[in-house]
Amino acid sequence: QKEVEQNSGPLSVPEGAIASLNCTYSDRGSQSFFWYRQYSGKSPELIMSIYSNGDKEDGRFTAQLNKASQYVSLLIRDSQPSDSATYLCAVVPGAQKLVFGQGTRLTINP
Amino acid sequence: KAGVTQTPRYLIKTRGQQVTLSCSPISGHRSVSWYQQTPGQGLQFLFEYFSETQRNKGNFPGRFSGRQFSNSRSEMNVSTLELGDSALYLCASSWGAGVNEQFFGPGTRLTVL
Repeated sequence: QKEVEQNSGPLSVPEGAIASLNCTYSDRGSQSFFWYRQYSGKSPELIMSIYSNGDKEDGRFTAQLNKASQYVSLLIRDSQPSDSATYLCAVVPGAQKLVFGQGTRLTINP
Repeated sequence: KAGVTQTPRYLIKTRGQQVTLSCSPISGHRSVSWYQQTPGQGLQFLFEYFSETQRNKGNFPGRFSGRQFSNSRSEMNVSTLELGDSALYLCASSWGAGVNEQFFGPGTRLTVL
């Protein structure tokens, strides 16, 4: 079982809709969770961090964490074509290093 | 505030050679981590430095090494290059030790021929 798992996609969402990206992790002791966005040919860009169970909102982005289910998600409201990118989920397990999922490729269709 | 910078941006080497990559963190950040990104393996952790000390290391062979200087700048070195070392090498900085929010540089694209 991989430490961090994401559906590789591609996930296709119409412009203006809500994009929902999911991530599961294997280490129950994980404490820190991050979402990065990576455009093709660019480096990852941090968009959200979450440390406690529940929701955290920042503009059009909402991160959701459920430690009991070992599940973290990212919702993007009012999706725009500029949101088309690969979204990387990153988790800090007990080993205290950042472990990334393979990423979900998101395409927003105008 | 200037972001993380990495040099060089692109590099072409042949098998058996060695290479040194450089990373300058965001001003005030003292932790630097290095990652390798390939299409097949994704983003994989190489090592983390804080206050000139290696705090953590990923599962890479000893050919991969690094160091950090007193001004927090970091270098990584790969010796005896193999074709499989072709990748995007990313450096990320954060303000403190341990894993908190990390900010990535633009990366160095290494091609081994």
